[in-house]
Amino acid sequence: GNSVTQMEGPVTLSEEAFLTINCTYTATGYPSLFWYVQYPGEGLQLLLKATKADDKGSNKGFEATYRKETTSFHLEKGSVQVSDSAVYFCALTANQAGTALIFGKGTTLSVSS
Amino acid sequence: GAVVSQHPSRVICKSGTSVKIECRSLDFQATTMFWYRQFPKQSLMLMATSNEGSKATYEQGVEKDKFLINHASLTLSTLTVTSAHPEDSSFYICSAREYRGVGYEQYFGPGTRLTVT
Repeated sequence: GNSVTQMEGPVTLSEEAFLTINCTYTATGYPSLFWYVQYPGEGLQLLLKATKADDKGSNKGFEATYRKETTSFHLEKGSVQVSDSAVYFCALTANQAGTALIFGKGTTLSVSS
Repeated sequence: GAVVSQHPSRVICKSGTSVKIECRSLDFQATTMFWYRQFPKQSLMLMATSNEGSKATYEQGVEKDKFLINHASLTLSTLTVTSAHPEDSSFYICSAREYRGVGYEQYFGPGTRLTVT
C-alpha cells in the first residue's frame, strides 16, 4: 500500500541554520507529494507540493524536489527563522485526483534565536 | 483563500454520551470531505471519506456505527461519536476538497479536541 516515512523529530536548530527534513514514500503509480505545516494551535496548512517527477515545490523559502528514482521529497530551507517552529508533515495522494492524503508521522521543528 | 471551520474546537463529554462535530466549508462547496484522527505526537489517520448526498466510505478498522458521518449539504459534514469512551479521546480534523481548475486542493479545519472522561 501507499505510505510515507519521514525523519523522527524533534529537530532543534538555531536561527539562520540550514534545515533538511527527510521524507520517502512508497506508492503505486504516480502520486502527488505535499508538505503541510501545523503551527501551534492552528490547523494544517499546505506549504508546498509537486505533482510529477523532478518538479520542485517552493514556498516561503522552503523547497522540496520530487525524486522518483529515490522515492523522496525532502524539505529544505536555507535559513530558518523562529517563526518556522511548527510540525511538518509529508504527505501523498495516489494517482487519482482528489483522493485522501496519506501522512507521515510529522516532524517537530524548534528554532531558537 | 478557502476556509474550513470546525465546531466545537474543544469538547469534554462523559463516557457513554454522544458528541457531534461539525465541519463547514465557508466560501466554497465541497462534494467531498475527509475526516482524520490524530493521536498525540502521531500522524493523521484517515477515518472516512464523506460524500455529499451519499454514504460515507470508511477506512478499514473504523467502526461506522460508532463514527456516524452525515454530509447533508455541499458545505457541511458532521461526525458523531456515539457512546463515546475514553479511548475515543483524540484530535479530530476534517478537510474539504475543492476543484481548482488544474486539480483538487484540500483545505483543513483547525481540528476538534475530544476528551472523554
